[in-house]
Amino acid sequence: DAGVIQSPRHEVTEMGQEVTLRCKPISGHNSLFWYRQTMMRGLELLIYFNNNVPIDDSGMPEDRFSAKMPNASFSTLKIQPSEPRDSAVYFCASSLGGAAGYTFGSGTRLTVV
Amino acid sequence: KQEVTQIPAALSVPEGENLVLNCSFTDSAIYNLQWFRQDPGKGLTSLLLIQSSQREQTSGRLNASLDKSSGRSTLYIAASQPGDSATYLCAVSPHTNAGKSTFGDGTTLTVKP
Repeated sequence: DAGVIQSPRHEVTEMGQEVTLRCKPISGHNSLFWYRQTMMRGLELLIYFNNNVPIDDSGMPEDRFSAKMPNASFSTLKIQPSEPRDSAVYFCASSLGGAAGYTFGSGTRLTVV
Repeated sequence: KQEVTQIPAALSVPEGENLVLNCSFTDSAIYNLQWFRQDPGKGLTSLLLIQSSQREQTSGRLNASLDKSSGRSTLYIAASQPGDSATYLCAVSPHTNAGKSTFGDGTTLTVKP
């Protein structure tokens, strides 16, 4: 298995633009997580899905952020409009159920200028 | 609210030394605890996962222990090597919401040749 695949690896965008981050979980994993990592706040859980259904989105910072999982093999995290304070590394992770341990993707480094 | 603390924040040791990394958590009602390694600019790689009913897990030169009653886990690295240099994070999954793990800020380890 190729592991959790995220795209793009790097994204530089101007403030106000829409940004879409993509994730393909490991085949057979039924839980998917979106995390954000910054120097100031460390690793923060934004949202997670079980069987394609959002279970907890309390970590989503504000309405500018949205996430979807239209099927078991694909998820997106969208920021619209983007702001400089959204600059961070965004990780996607998947697991065989929330308590089975995570496998992380390589992350997307987002820079909003 | 679960709080996870990793002390020290940074550690530097000479090659060949055995060392212990610490992870403390405030709520002992956990489902599992997972140790990760993160290299600069990379994603998180899972090292060991300990279920709440277990006391320890071993993989090669790594041994992780769990003491729920005291709210502590340790990661023991034997015969450290320069390639072990990385940031080590622990993540605690609560019993009530196993998908919503709390991560520590990590310990950055440098092993000097």
